Amino acid sequence: DAMVIQNPRYQVTQFGKPVTLSCSQTLNHNVMYWYQQKSSQAPKLLFHYYDKDFNNEADTPDNFQSRRPNTSFCFLDIRSPGLGDAAMYLCATSRGRTSQETQYFGPGTRLLVL
Amino acid sequence: AQSVTQLGSHVSVSEGALVLLRCNYSSSVPPYLFWYVQYPNQGLQLLLKYTSAATLVKGINGFEAEFKKSETSFHLTKPSAHMSDAAEYFCAVMGYGNKLVFGAGTILRVKS
Repeated sequence: DAMVIQNPRYQVTQFGKPVTLSCSQTLNHNVMYWYQQKSSQAPKLLFHYYDKDFNNEADTPDNFQSRRPNTSFCFLDIRSPGLGDAAMYLCATSRGRTSQETQYFGPGTRLLVL
Repeated sequence: AQSVTQLGSHVSVSEGALVLLRCNYSSSVPPYLFWYVQYPNQGLQLLLKYTSAATLVKGINGFEAEFKKSETSFHLTKPSAHMSDAAEYFCAVMGYGNKLVFGAGTILRVKS
């Protein structure tokens, strides 16, 4: 089945230690998104790639970076995680960026910062 | 700017009872609306979406939603709740720049 895969499902890191979260997709979608979801809150968009074009949200901290080496993979890098970065990180994909496009979500990676 | 408001952060129903989760939207253009479900420690799964083809939208797992322009609402319903429906439900509208804008979510509890 075509799907969105996130690894690992749970990630523990230390305060200030760089961490990378991974997302891959077999849907061959052009757009890949990264969301941050804190406890009991709605998902918040951090950035997205339309093909190789990177689109950062205005309020995304510089501490968060992303890479998309090819169509299938997208990475979220947190350069110096703080305690406030503990959250569920969700990757999503869509075929395009029109208003009707459905976003398909992966299972998420829960990040714990010690 | 587009936005959604979900009324009730927690809803509790008995198994077999009607499920009604409320969502009101604000949009300056004809909206595209979505309902997603999230089970604990899982990603979001699309239940259904409204794209102006029909006002009554049927989704997966027996859920449906009706778009009412006069009431700016897109409430989610299911005739008979099942224990497996217990989850968090998010209403969302496609916003400026074709970005999803989510409501705050409603946690559905199903009592046996």
